[in-house]
Amino acid sequence: AQTVTQSQPEMSVQEAETVTLSCTYDTSESNYYLFWYKQPPSRQMILVIRQEAYKQQNATENRFSVNFQKAAKSFSLKISDSQLGDTAMYFCAFHTGTASKLTFGTGTRLQVTL
Amino acid sequence: DTAVSQTPKYLVTQMGNDKSIKCEQNLGHDTMYWYKQDSKKFLKIMFSYNNKELIINETVPNRFSPKSPDKAHLNLHINSLELGDSAVYFCASSQGGMNTEAFFGQGTRLTVV
Repeated sequence: AQTVTQSQPEMSVQEAETVTLSCTYDTSESNYYLFWYKQPPSRQMILVIRQEAYKQQNATENRFSVNFQKAAKSFSLKISDSQLGDTAMYFCAFHTGTASKLTFGTGTRLQVTL
Repeated sequence: DTAVSQTPKYLVTQMGNDKSIKCEQNLGHDTMYWYKQDSKKFLKIMFSYNNKELIINETVPNRFSPKSPDKAHLNLHINSLELGDSAVYFCASSQGGMNTEAFFGQGTRLTVV
């Protein structure tokens, strides 16, 4: 079975600080893509960042970066210089070659405070 | 210029009723999905269509029937609604392939009373 685990149901960070959200996954496939999606209170799902399993270099998108450890099946998201607008649910997900779907984790609720 | 649009955004209905949720994408994508988000925010695939053909039916009750009249539309019809069907339903589309971003609609919050 393909599963995604996010062990932190809730996290809080002060504005301008850095926070890391954890994600582990399990799959027997060798090629896949990993994603972090953000869901703010508006409910809209927004792609934050993606990583191909074959690429060793960690993906970065402005203030967002990942720490991808393939052997450990770990895919954490680091948010630098946190902003109030980063307050949202964050979902880790992956998509394999054989499955025509995204498999999501249970999400981490991030609150950015003043 | 909404990429993936769902209607309605909110739906309150009584048990036993039949209801439909419509979804349209203007991105030219080949693949469309329905996801269900429960009260604990867990997102689970329900259906996946590629070029109007059903690819995934993830053990969803027969009361749920998707219909794809063309590549740009994927509607969800629900018969005999039950209290447990209350959730947020998301439509999404992608170009297909595991590396492509899925674009989501704004969701339909269904409340069965």
